[in-house]
Amino acid sequence: ILNVEQSPQSLHVQEGDSTNFTCSFPSSNFYALHWYRWETAKSPEALFVMTLNGDEKKKGRISATLNTKEGYSYLYIKGSQPEDSATYLCVPFKGTGNQFYFGTGTSLTVIP
Amino acid sequence: EAQVTQNPRYLITVTGKKLTVTCSQNMNHEYMSWYRQDPGLGLRQIYYSMNVEVTDKGDVPEGYKVSRKEKRNFPLILESPSPNQTSLYFCASSLGQGNIQYFGAGTRLSVL
Repeated sequence: ILNVEQSPQSLHVQEGDSTNFTCSFPSSNFYALHWYRWETAKSPEALFVMTLNGDEKKKGRISATLNTKEGYSYLYIKGSQPEDSATYLCVPFKGTGNQFYFGTGTSLTVIP
Repeated sequence: EAQVTQNPRYLITVTGKKLTVTCSQNMNHEYMSWYRQDPGLGLRQIYYSMNVEVTDKGDVPEGYKVSRKEKRNFPLILESPSPNQTSLYFCASSLGQGNIQYFGAGTRLSVL
């Protein structure tokens, strides 16, 4: 089992605010890190797959960075909108089999 | 449309009555997984499959069976359901090892 820690557990921001949250994971045996977005009553949807130290990915107003040496990734949302309200999950993958370890994520609520 | 289809979406059953939750994907993906989601916990992997006739245990396999006779289908079987298997179940598929996963809409199971 991989211990994944995401902080904060929950976050409330005003519409238009930019925000960021953190994912910490064991740096040993790192292979890849996935970020998913999970809206209430829906299924998780993939945002990014990150593999290389120093990776930066961007999708619209959402971006992510990766530091594999120290075992953390940051997710940034610029100018939050109500439709960004969701739980954001980071999921490390060790590279063996197809085992994934999901934490409880960061729950983001954007207040109009 | 590329998708992962689970059936049924909702199921109420009684202790000990065998049931099967079906999962089918139309993306020709090699890998498929089953997860359960319980309040306060992250998604936990039950079983995964890396190809036809190749399956392996995830973190919480007790009380479940799976089979992968065809590439597109990965049914989850509860031979003798118990109340502690009341949960929200997700099926997921991915193109290859460690690739992003595409999730089904979920099956909410209640075992009385």
